[in-house]
Amino acid sequence: QVQLQESGPGLVKPSETLSLICNVSGDSINKYYWNWIRQSPGKGLEWIGYVYHSGTTDYNPSLKSRVTMWVDSTKKYFSLNLSAVTTADTAVYYCARGIAVASYDPWGQGIQVTVSS
Amino acid sequence: DIQLTQSPLSLSTSVGERVTITCRASQSIGSNVNWYQQHPGKAPKLLIYVASYLQSGVASRFSGARSGTEFTLTISSLQPEDFATYFCQQSYSSPFTFGQGTRLEIK
Repeated sequence: QVQLQESGPGLVKPSETLSLICNVSGDSINKYYWNWIRQSPGKGLEWIGYVYHSGTTDYNPSLKSRVTMWVDSTKKYFSLNLSAVTTADTAVYYCARGIAVASYDPWGQGIQVTVSS
Repeated sequence: DIQLTQSPLSLSTSVGERVTITCRASQSIGSNVNWYQQHPGKAPKLLIYVASYLQSGVASRFSGARSGTEFTLTISSLQPEDFATYFCQQSYSSPFTFGQGTRLEIK
């Protein structure tokens, strides 16, 4: 069965770039939509965007100017870059497989990212 | 963006009770609503997709329904493992949005 695992730094300084990777095992990355979603006490669950295996992306307009996603099919992972972070970007970040675009199953375990100097 | 409003936001109830959670969409979205369960410190888990279809492996006491722009998640007989937070989510149009969550607590 498919499993997803996030990795990356847990602490990022303000104005820097947050970079996360989601490793995919147990299924081909060359299908489905691969998503990033974050959760914070203040904003709840927020969809950040997806990357399709072809490289097609769709981002939440609220974050679009700062987000980049891509997929590496040979290494079976997909990535998130979020630039110019502020304390408002502090959250648990999840990666998730999108079935029929936007039904999310499964999710990774999540990674806490704190933005602080 | 499409807004989803859940009610109630919290509910104190007992094992064996029947519970219904409501999610109202700010506009017509067909049947494009999913429901997730989240335990503290864990990732959300997909329970119901396209309003009423039970995800594989999910207990049959969970069911979903739609009436216009109102969607419901019903748990027919609460089990101890069902005390968690439940979220609805619309998959109709980007940006895909979530409800605020409904927390089920043990009375």
